Amino acid sequence: AQSVAQPEDQVNVAEGNPLTVKCTYSVSGNPYLFWYVQYPNRGLQFLLKYITGDNLVKGSYGFEAEFNKSQTSFHLKKPSALVSDSALYFCAVRWGNNNDMRFGAGTRLTVKP
Amino acid sequence: EPEVTQTPSHQVTQMGQEVILRCVPISNHLYFYWYRQILGQKVEFLVSFYNNEISEKSEIFDDQFSVERPDGSNFTLKIRSTKLEDSAMYFCATYRDTGELFFGEGSRLTVL
Repeated sequence: AQSVAQPEDQVNVAEGNPLTVKCTYSVSGNPYLFWYVQYPNRGLQFLLKYITGDNLVKGSYGFEAEFNKSQTSFHLKKPSALVSDSALYFCAVRWGNNNDMRFGAGTRLTVKP
Repeated sequence: EPEVTQTPSHQVTQMGQEVILRCVPISNHLYFYWYRQILGQKVEFLVSFYNNEISEKSEIFDDQFSVERPDGSNFTLKIRSTKLEDSAMYFCATYRDTGELFFGEGSRLTVL
């Protein structure tokens, strides 16, 4: 079955430190991978995507993610975290000719001053 | 920047009542979706809609749910007889061909 997993419910980092939010996927065929961020009482905002091409993709607000086919992962990273990065982060996947998107369970990122 | 607009932002209803949630997609987008999120947790797929018909639906999308584009612009989600467990945030999303979905700000449904 097609799925996406976020193994950590919560990630805590200190401001200025690098952050990583993990995502792994299981799909048949080529995956299209996405990261979204959700602030309290808001909708989901698109951060970045991997469709094809370079495995390292850069997105909004200084975030980047690396597609790793052998490890079936698409971890979200940022070199230096800000308190304002504190939010709920969702990894999502689409596959093949399917136009639907499925989301991971979400990871709550807390950046402490 | 074009955006997906949802109304109402919050609706409170009694159990058993019908509810209609409305979405105005980004113009020239062709695919429309409804997702549900309970208490800030997982975002759950409900239904996808393309070319005026349902493309795919989840097991959550049972007979009490329906979708339509009544006037070619709005995209609505109807819940015929609401249950307590329908209380959630409902998000509309649209897509053209760039890969990502664009989400509205959501409609919060509270069933009493």
